[in-house]
Amino acid sequence: KAGVTQTPRYLIKTRGQQVTLSCSPISGHRSVSWYQQTPGQGLQFLFEYFSETQRNKGNFPGRFSGRQFSNSRSEMNVSTLELGDSALYLCASSLGSRAEQYFGPGTRLTVT
Amino acid sequence: AQRVTQPEKLLSVFKGAPVELKCNYSYSGSPELFWYVQYSRQRLQLLLRHISRESIKGFTADLNKGETSFHLKKPFAQEEDSAMYYCALTAGGTSYGKLTFGQGTILTVHP
Repeated sequence: KAGVTQTPRYLIKTRGQQVTLSCSPISGHRSVSWYQQTPGQGLQFLFEYFSETQRNKGNFPGRFSGRQFSNSRSEMNVSTLELGDSALYLCASSLGSRAEQYFGPGTRLTVT
Repeated sequence: AQRVTQPEKLLSVFKGAPVELKCNYSYSGSPELFWYVQYSRQRLQLLLRHISRESIKGFTADLNKGETSFHLKKPFAQEEDSAMYYCALTAGGTSYGKLTFGQGTILTVHP
């Protein structure tokens, strides 16, 4: 099976812009979770989608949003970018809420 | 709220020596615990989970509910074990899809 893929792999944006990141899960996986990874805060949970519904959300401002499509592909959007949003954004897919998660390679976002 | 603590940021051992990466957690319910590993230039990947009780690449981890620990052990470290290791927890209830990670331990195995 193909692994989790994320596009794009690298992005450079300017403060105030918005960005959309994409994640394609492993075939058959209906749960997609998103994480932000930074040197200071480590890996932090953003949100989780299952069958096009957001079931769980972490402690991030409303500028961070996401969605999931009927084919389980997911996107996350960050509006009004801030310098502090510079991070590696990881998505992970799984079969269910307490099953093991399989991670993508991440999208490296740099905000200047 | 759940929390995972990995007290060692860096751990260095010599090849053939035993290695133990510590993980402590706080959660009042019954957690699922995992160890993830990230080798250089590779994606984060699952190493093992406590309910499977498997030994992967010679690593084992036992859940100690009394001490709320899930330490990762290997009797004889190899150079290829050098990587970043993360302990992670998922809770029950409405914690759908949420893994809570520790800060990670960088393991270096010297020849």
